Amino acid sequence: EAGVTQSPTHLIKTRGQQATLRCSPISGHTSVYWYQQALGLGLQFLLWYDEGEERNRGNFPPRFSGRQFPNYSSELNVNALELEDSALYLCASSFTTANIVNTEAFFGQGTRLTVV
Amino acid sequence: SQQGEEDPQALSIQEGENATMNCSYKTSINNLQWYRQNSGRGLVHLILIRSNEREKHSGRLRVTLDTSKKSSSLLITASRAADTASYFCATATPRAQKLVFGQGTRLTINP
Repeated sequence: EAGVTQSPTHLIKTRGQQATLRCSPISGHTSVYWYQQALGLGLQFLLWYDEGEERNRGNFPPRFSGRQFPNYSSELNVNALELEDSALYLCASSFTTANIVNTEAFFGQGTRLTVV
Repeated sequence: SQQGEEDPQALSIQEGENATMNCSYKTSINNLQWYRQNSGRGLVHLILIRSNEREKHSGRLRVTLDTSKKSSSLLITASRAADTASYFCATATPRAQKLVFGQGTRLTINP
């Protein structure tokens, strides 16, 4: 069974540009989470999508946005890139339940975004 | 603010020794989970302990949860070089609808 896949693995962008990161969840999972991990730091919650809807959002500016497609894959868009957006962006998926965080999350290998 | 805080931030031990990492959190939780991250890549789920459980085992891993003290510990017995990684606790709270991660403990196993 394929795990969570993210693309691209690495992405280099110039300040002010836009970045698009993609995530495919494990088959059967309908929930997708996005996290940002700056170098040497913990994970900061960005977004949660479930059944195509944005369910929760972390403390990030509106230039961080995303969507979930009918096949449950997801896209994270970061507009007007700033140097401090350089980080590892991790996507995770899980089964949706009435109380969503009752099950483990499966993470992809991440996209390392570098803004120069 | 971070819900979970790991202690210590870094731990270095000899192969074969036991490693203990602690996690403290602030509010009521549904469950607490431990994850491992190798070399800044994806996280691997290790174990989930629910708020009504006190201890869980998985192979060489033992997790305890003390809800009265709002703390958890992860014990890795008979450590191996392959256990070298960062370990994170993550808490799931009734209202937050998200996993909140701590800053992690960087574990180094010396051969």
